Amino acid sequence: NAGVTQTPKFQVLKTGQSMTLQCAQDMNHEYMSWYRQDPGMGLRLIHYSVGAGITDQGEVPNGYNVSRSTTEDFPLRLLSAAPSQTSVYFCASSRRGSPLHFGNGTRLTVT
Amino acid sequence: AQKITQTQPGMFVQEKEAVTLDCTYDTSDQSYGLFWYKQPSSGEMIFLIYQGSYDEQNATEGRYSLNFQKARKSANLVISASQLGDSAMYFCAMGTSGTYKYIFGTGTRLKVLA
Repeated sequence: NAGVTQTPKFQVLKTGQSMTLQCAQDMNHEYMSWYRQDPGMGLRLIHYSVGAGITDQGEVPNGYNVSRSTTEDFPLRLLSAAPSQTSVYFCASSRRGSPLHFGNGTRLTVT
Repeated sequence: AQKITQTQPGMFVQEKEAVTLDCTYDTSDQSYGLFWYKQPSSGEMIFLIYQGSYDEQNATEGRYSLNFQKARKSANLVISASQLGDSAMYFCAMGTSGTYKYIFGTGTRLKVLA
C-alpha cells in the first residue's frame, strides 16, 4: 500500500549541479504532476502528465524537465540548479477528476 | 484561465467553535471539481473533501462541509467544533475536465486556540 513514493526527502545542491527527483506510484493513476511549495505562494504546478509519453507544462516550468516513460514513474530533472529553486517539491497522482494523492515531499536547498 | 483565490492568509478560532475558510475560483470549464487539503506542520498533504460542479448538494465529511455557491464561484470550507489538531495550513484546489490540470490557492493558516 505504498501510494506515491518520492525520493529523496532532503537534498542540498550547489548552484549549477544537476539532479533528479524521483516519483513513483502504484495505483495505476494516469495523471501525475509536480508542484513546488514556497512560503506565501501555495503549491504551483511545474509539469504534469496525463499518461505515459505525454507531458505538459504547468505554471512554473522553467529550469525543470520531465518525462513519463511508464505509468508508474514521473521523475523531475533539474539540469542546472539555481538558488531560486530552493523549495519543497511534491509529486502527486490521481485518476481523472479524483482527489490528488501526494508524496511526502522533497526539501531541496540550492546554495 | 483557471484561478483559485484564498484571501485569508491566517485565521484564529476558539476550540469547539465553527470556522469558515474562504475560497473563490475562476474557470470557463463547465465540468470541474473543487478540493480542500490540510497540511499540518509535519508537511504532508491530507485530502479533506471534494465537490463536483454538477453536485446539487453541498459535500460533507464528518466535521468538514463545503459551502458551494456556483453562481458566486465560491467553495468555502466549514469546520465545525474545531479541535486543537485542526491547526494547520488549508489549501483549496480545482481540477477541470478540460485542461486536466489541478491548481491550488495560496492557503490559509488556521490556528485553533484552547
